[in-house]
Amino acid sequence: DIQMTQSPASLSASLGETVTIECLASEDIYDILAWYQQKPGKSPQLLIYDASSLHTGVPSRFSGSGSGTQYSLKINSLQPEDFASYYCQNGLSALTFGSGTKLEIK
Amino acid sequence: EVQLVESGGGLVQPGRSLKLSCAASGFTFSNYYMAWVRQAPKKGLEWVATISTSGSRTYYPDSVKGRFTISRDNAKSSLYLQMNSLKSEDTATYYCARHIGTTEGYFDYWGQGVMVTVSS
Repeated sequence: DIQMTQSPASLSASLGETVTIECLASEDIYDILAWYQQKPGKSPQLLIYDASSLHTGVPSRFSGSGSGTQYSLKINSLQPEDFASYYCQNGLSALTFGSGTKLEIK
Repeated sequence: EVQLVESGGGLVQPGRSLKLSCAASGFTFSNYYMAWVRQAPKKGLEWVATISTSGSRTYYPDSVKGRFTISRDNAKSSLYLQMNSLKSEDTATYYCARHIGTTEGYFDYWGQGVMVTVSS
């Protein structure tokens, strides 16, 4: 199965800051990658698919990039509602997820 | 508005069975692949099963293959997960999700989840 290595595991940032979360696939996944946001006690929500396409209703401060085995999620100008956990997901085969990044307020 | 509502969770002993249900609304259920994804307490996400639009094709990871069975009733806009020979490591919140794609793809809408605890 394709392994997804996500970093960092946790991240502290202030309101208004810009942060980046990384995801490394164990093999080329041809941009078939999604990012999800999950708030405590809630279900995950799709943010980005196909590495860089924004899902319906997702604010433009979220962006995704990358290719091959390396991908990243960037959040510009952090808002209070952005403090949550984030997961990448390989959409090519076996549909594996990264281990998650918990974004906390500094 | 897409809505997915799971039910059927609870406490079950190791080796026993449990069946989860998911009621879908707000979209044409029969046009979409559907899936189950689980999350163990304080852990990450794990894809559990996917079913094709007609129900003729199903897909599972090795961790549940042979023990779990996904099915659907398009007339009732409902998705099911039959879980047999349950193990403690199956303890998790189980989410019903709409699957964009087939054997590949993403999960664009999720239910609120239902908790399954496997313990004696």
